[in-house]
Amino acid sequence: DVKVTQSSRYLVKRTGEKVFLECVQDMDHENMFWYRQDPGLGLRLIYFSYDVKMKEKGDIPEGYSVSREKKERFSLILESASTNQTSMYLCASSGTVVLGELFFGSGTQLSVL
Amino acid sequence: AQSVTQLGSHVSVSEGALVLLRCNYSSSVPPYLFWYVQYPNQGLQLLLKYTSAATLVKGINGFEAEFKKSETSFHLTKPSAHMSDAAEYFCAVRTNSGYSTLTFGKGTMLLVSP
Repeated sequence: DVKVTQSSRYLVKRTGEKVFLECVQDMDHENMFWYRQDPGLGLRLIYFSYDVKMKEKGDIPEGYSVSREKKERFSLILESASTNQTSMYLCASSGTVVLGELFFGSGTQLSVL
Repeated sequence: AQSVTQLGSHVSVSEGALVLLRCNYSSSVPPYLFWYVQYPNQGLQLLLKYTSAATLVKGINGFEAEFKKSETSFHLTKPSAHMSDAAEYFCAVRTNSGYSTLTFGKGTMLLVSP
């Protein structure tokens, strides 16, 4: 069974902390994505990566960075967490460039106090 | 730029009733369209997808959607709702920016009453 695993289901951090959200996929997919999900706003793309060490900005990259040192792992970094980054973060992967079907992790609910 | 609009943030139906969730798209090129479902405390999973083959697409759990170019719509239907269908549903369109990413609608919460 295919799997995208996010390291934490719930996370509570303080304003100004550096936060790492980790995502691992076991499907040998080339493409990986980070979305944030907020009520009434749906999913918004933060960053994505189409290859190891490659990254592209999505629609809302401000305040975030990413790292992809290995094919299976894609990390989202909040350099200095702020309260407006309180959100559900969803990681996804895709191995089919043309069709764009995504496989999602269960999400990390981040609260920044 | 590609975008999707989902009409209605919440839709309520009775068990056994028809489910209709609306999605309209905007795209300058022939679109690839998707419906995803999110059950409580889970990530999203693919229900069905349209990739320019048959206009009537059948998905999992008895759902189907029809691509109507003239109406720029891709509405999701199910003839008879089940309690287990209660979830949030997202319509998405593949962007055409050179990379294969998806742009999602804001979601529609389906509520099913007994």
